[in-house]
Amino acid sequence: AQKITQTQPGMFVQEKEAVTLDCTYDTSDQSYGLFWYKQPSSGEMIFLIYQGSYDEQNATEGRYSLNFQKARKSANLVISASQLGDSAMYFCAMRDRDSSYKLIFGSGTRLLVRP
Amino acid sequence: AAGVIQSPRHLIKEKRETATLKCYPIPRHDTVYWYQQGPGQDPQFLISFYEKMQSDKGSIPDRFSAQQFSDYHSELNMSSLELGDSALYFCASSRIPGTGNTEAFFGQGTRLTVV
Repeated sequence: AQKITQTQPGMFVQEKEAVTLDCTYDTSDQSYGLFWYKQPSSGEMIFLIYQGSYDEQNATEGRYSLNFQKARKSANLVISASQLGDSAMYFCAMRDRDSSYKLIFGSGTRLLVRP
Repeated sequence: AAGVIQSPRHLIKEKRETATLKCYPIPRHDTVYWYQQGPGQDPQFLISFYEKMQSDKGSIPDRFSAQQFSDYHSELNMSSLELGDSALYFCASSRIPGTGNTEAFFGQGTRLTVV
């Protein structure tokens, strides 16, 4: 079964600096998809970035990029030029191919951006 | 662009009452997922529907039921509510992998409080 591990319960970063949020995954599948979501204090779950296992290049979306290291089974999220509005909970997730392709989430990392 | 719509946004119910949560997926998305997120927890999968048929079931109590209608909207019905059902309930929609863009988008959630 697939599993997502986020080992950083909380992190601080200074405004305008870059930060890396760690995510490792476990799967026996060759084809899989990895997601990052942001959940601000208001509660909504905001899609940030997606990486397919066969994508040759790391995914990027504006200030977000995914450092995908397939051999190490890691999919770290890099946020460049942090902004105060980046303070939120961040979840890494993977699709479960066993049945409905539902998302399996890690435990999340709470990021606090300091002014 | 149209997003996943959930209603209501907030709901307060008393113990033993019933609640119905609604979800309207993104047009042309063929799969709907329901998740429950308790305070300080990651989202837990409840149930999913593919083309109006139940496709997967997670840790959903027997007191809960769900269905997807002909217009693809879905409803989560919760009966005999307990204090422990207080949580944020998300609906997400996507297309099954292999049928196009497979990003999963979440609604803004329904915050249920049972008193």
